[in-house]
Amino acid sequence: AQSVTQLDSQVPVFEEAPVELRCNYSSSVSVYLFWYVQYPNQGLQLLLKYLSGSTLVKGINGFEAEFNKSQTSFHLRKPSVHISDTAEYFCGGTASKLTFGTGTRLQVTL
Amino acid sequence: DGGITQSPKYLFRKEGQNVTLSCEQNLNHDAMYWYRQDPGQGLRLIYYSQIVNDFQKGDIAEGYSVSREKKESFPLTVTSAQKNPTAFYLCASMAMGEPVEAFFGQGTRLTVV
Repeated sequence: AQSVTQLDSQVPVFEEAPVELRCNYSSSVSVYLFWYVQYPNQGLQLLLKYLSGSTLVKGINGFEAEFNKSQTSFHLRKPSVHISDTAEYFCGGTASKLTFGTGTRLQVTL
Repeated sequence: DGGITQSPKYLFRKEGQNVTLSCEQNLNHDAMYWYRQDPGQGLRLIYYSQIVNDFQKGDIAEGYSVSREKKESFPLTVTSAQKNPTAFYLCASMAMGEPVEAFFGQGTRLTVV
């Protein structure tokens, strides 16, 4: 069965600190991988996507993710977070259908 | 502008009533999806369609129905059989070929009163 697993439900971090949001996928779901961000009561906005090629993917707002086939991971990173990065983040993947993890709440504080 | 539109943004339903949520896209995407979002449970797939006149059940299809008569439209009906329908519903569309990307609507918040 397809599955995407986000390992942390909440990640608290201080402003200007680095952050990593973890995502693992099953081999059956890996064809394309995505990270989306959701602000309260809104839809999802694409941060970045991995389709093929370079395993380091750069996205919007300073985020990047690394595709690691041997570890079946697609972790999202940012070297220095801002208060405005506080949101829900979803890792998703598609082979035959688009599925998502349960989300990670990133809480940035001063 | 191309995009995906969900309506209404807020919807109230009395117990025992069916209600239909609208999802329209003008991106010429083949695939469309419906998700339900509850706090702490992420996005759970209700139904999806990859071609007109065909759709597949997702993980939580019970109590819901869909149709895909046109490529642009994928309405979701929440039936009275859905025992706990209060939730935030998200629709998405995706191109099946390059470039692969899924676009989301702004969501519909359904509340049973």
